[in-house]
Amino acid sequence: GQNIDQPTEMTATEGAIVQINCTYQTSGFNGLFWYQQHAGEAPTFLSYNVLDGLEEKGRFSSFLSRSKGYSYLLLKELQMKDSASYLCAVPTGFQKLVFGTGTRLLVSP
Amino acid sequence: DVKVTQSSRYLVKRTGEKVFLECVQDMDHENMFWYRQDPGLGLRLIYFSYDVKMKEKGDIPEGYSVSREKKERFSLILESASTNQTSMYLCASRPQGPGQPQHFGDGTRLSIL
Repeated sequence: GQNIDQPTEMTATEGAIVQINCTYQTSGFNGLFWYQQHAGEAPTFLSYNVLDGLEEKGRFSSFLSRSKGYSYLLLKELQMKDSASYLCAVPTGFQKLVFGTGTRLLVSP
Repeated sequence: DVKVTQSSRYLVKRTGEKVFLECVQDMDHENMFWYRQDPGLGLRLIYFSYDVKMKEKGDIPEGYSVSREKKERFSLILESASTNQTSMYLCASRPQGPGQPQHFGDGTRLSIL
C-alpha cells in the first residue's frame, strides 16, 4: 500500500524561503506530484518528479530522492498569496493518486 | 486550458434524499475521479472511471454510486444521503499516460441536514 507523511502546518514570513517535506512509502514508484490548494478552491497542479534531483519552476522548486522516499517543495521569495495548503501525491497502479493530508502554509507580513 | 465543471458550488439536502452531483470535462480525458475532502483526512477517492460505462471503487465507496454514460460526464450519486456525507466533493479528470496530472473542478460543498 501507500503511505504519505507531510507536516500539518508551517508558518513563514513574506520574502523568506520555506521547504515543505513529504515522505512516502509505496509498493511501486511512478513519480510524485505536488498540488497547491487555496482555501475553498480546487487543487491546482504544481509539479511532477519521477527522477532524482531538483526541478525548478520560477519561485517554486521540487526535489525528489527515490532511495530515501523523500520529496520537498521549495518556495522562494514568499508572497502572501502563497498562503495555501500544499498536497503531496503518489500514483498507484491504475491511474489513481494517493494524497497526503496536506501542509497548510501561512505566510505573514 | 482544461476545464472541469461541477454542477453546483453549494448544495443542501435532507437525510434520506437521493443526491446527484454532476461533473463535465471538456478535454476528452479517459479518466475521471470523485473525491471527498474533509479536515484532517485529506482527499479520499470515492470512485473513478477509466472509460465510458467503466467504474472502479476507490477507498471509500460505501453509500455512493457513479455513472459514466458519456466520456465527458461523470456523475456521483448518494443513494440515501446521511449527515456523515456532509463534505466537500471534488471531481477530477486526467488523460492516459504516466506523469499526467489530474485537473480538478471547483468542488461542491454538500450539506446534509
